[in-house]
Amino acid sequence: AQSVTQLGSHVSVSEGALVLLRCNYSSSVPPYLFWYVQYPNQGLQLLLKYTSAATLVKGINGFEAEFKKSETSFHLTKPSAHMSDAAEYFCAVSGRGGGFKTIFGAGTRLFVKA
Amino acid sequence: NAGVTQTPKFQVLKTGQSMTLQCAQDMNHEYMSWYRQDPGMGLRLIHYSVGAGITDQGEVPNGYNVSRSTTEDFPLRLLSAAPSQTSVYFCASRGGPNEKLFFGSGTQLSVL
Repeated sequence: AQSVTQLGSHVSVSEGALVLLRCNYSSSVPPYLFWYVQYPNQGLQLLLKYTSAATLVKGINGFEAEFKKSETSFHLTKPSAHMSDAAEYFCAVSGRGGGFKTIFGAGTRLFVKA
Repeated sequence: NAGVTQTPKFQVLKTGQSMTLQCAQDMNHEYMSWYRQDPGMGLRLIHYSVGAGITDQGEVPNGYNVSRSTTEDFPLRLLSAAPSQTSVYFCASRGGPNEKLFFGSGTQLSVL
């Protein structure tokens, strides 16, 4: 069965600092992997996704994530945090070994300090 | 193109009451799903469907029923509401498993 673990329910960074949000998955075969973002009082929107074309995936708003099969990880990074990045971030997995369903992690809330 | 339409946006129930959350999509997606979002627990999958006439349980199915009689509609039924079902509910649909989910606007449900 597939599962997703996000390390750290809250992450706080200073504006301009590196953002690193961690995601590890458990699956019998490498799944499809996604990062979604939810801004306050809004729905979820896709940041980026990994579908096996390239291990380093670039998304919107300067975010990127690297798929590492050996570490079963798909961590999200951004070189320089902006105040507008404050939101909740969710890692999700689907397909290939877990069937059709999409499973989400518990989420990481990112705080950005001025 | 409306995407995923979810109703109602807000609902207050008394313990033991029943209700149906409606979800419809106009993108001809085979996959539809229901999630509940609770603080600190992310989105947890309640039920999902991979096509008309096919449904399956997710991570937290107890207390909820679903049916999929058409490709477009996927209603979620609470048969006897409990305070533990107070949550924000999202309907979502997509094409293949490598494609993104399209979400409804959410339903904020309170069970007193």
